[in-house]
Amino acid sequence: EDKVVQSPLSLVVHEGDTVTLNCSYEVTNFRSLLWYKQEKKAPTFLFMLTSSGIEKKSGRLSSILDKKELSSILNITATQTGDSAIYLCAVEARGAQKLVFGQGTRLTINP
Amino acid sequence: SQTIHQWPATLVQPVGSPLSLECTVEGTSNPNLYWYRQAAGRGLQLLFYSVGIGQISSEVPQNLSASRPQDRQFILSSKKLLLSDSGFYLCAWSPGPYNSPLHFGNGTRLTVT
Repeated sequence: EDKVVQSPLSLVVHEGDTVTLNCSYEVTNFRSLLWYKQEKKAPTFLFMLTSSGIEKKSGRLSSILDKKELSSILNITATQTGDSAIYLCAVEARGAQKLVFGQGTRLTINP
Repeated sequence: SQTIHQWPATLVQPVGSPLSLECTVEGTSNPNLYWYRQAAGRGLQLLFYSVGIGQISSEVPQNLSASRPQDRQFILSSKKLLLSDSGFYLCAWSPGPYNSPLHFGNGTRLTVT
């Protein structure tokens, strides 16, 4: 059974700090790994990482896929209070018509 | 552009009552459609997905069911709600055949009392 584990489950830091969120997975025939940000309602898409695109960056956010270690990290530098959210990691297997999500990391940025 | 609508936004229902949550997608055809549930502060659990009209795959055995009567309409139902059905229900769509990335609706917060 495909499985995604995120750590830590919860993280509280001060504004301006840098944070690293972790995601490890076990999936048969891996195709892609995705990161989402969920503030209050709908999760919004951040990054998709595949074998042909193992590193993505957008502003203060960046993500790397380590296919050897079956894991990914999401880095946020110079955090702001608006970064407070639940960050979700999900994986997709080839031939599967679904995403399997981890438990999420609840990130709180204090001013 | 594509949009997804989900309603109602919140719902409070007594145990044993029926449930119907509806989701529609605009601006695309033959999307893959999904129902996820999220317990408080946790990740998303896939309940059902559909790759076409009348085609429903169930991931978790329970007292919920799903139907896709039209190409861009996905309905989540229950005949009798349980307390454990409380949660945040999210509908999502993606272009087939591969489903990433998913685009989510704003969700329905269901409280069963």
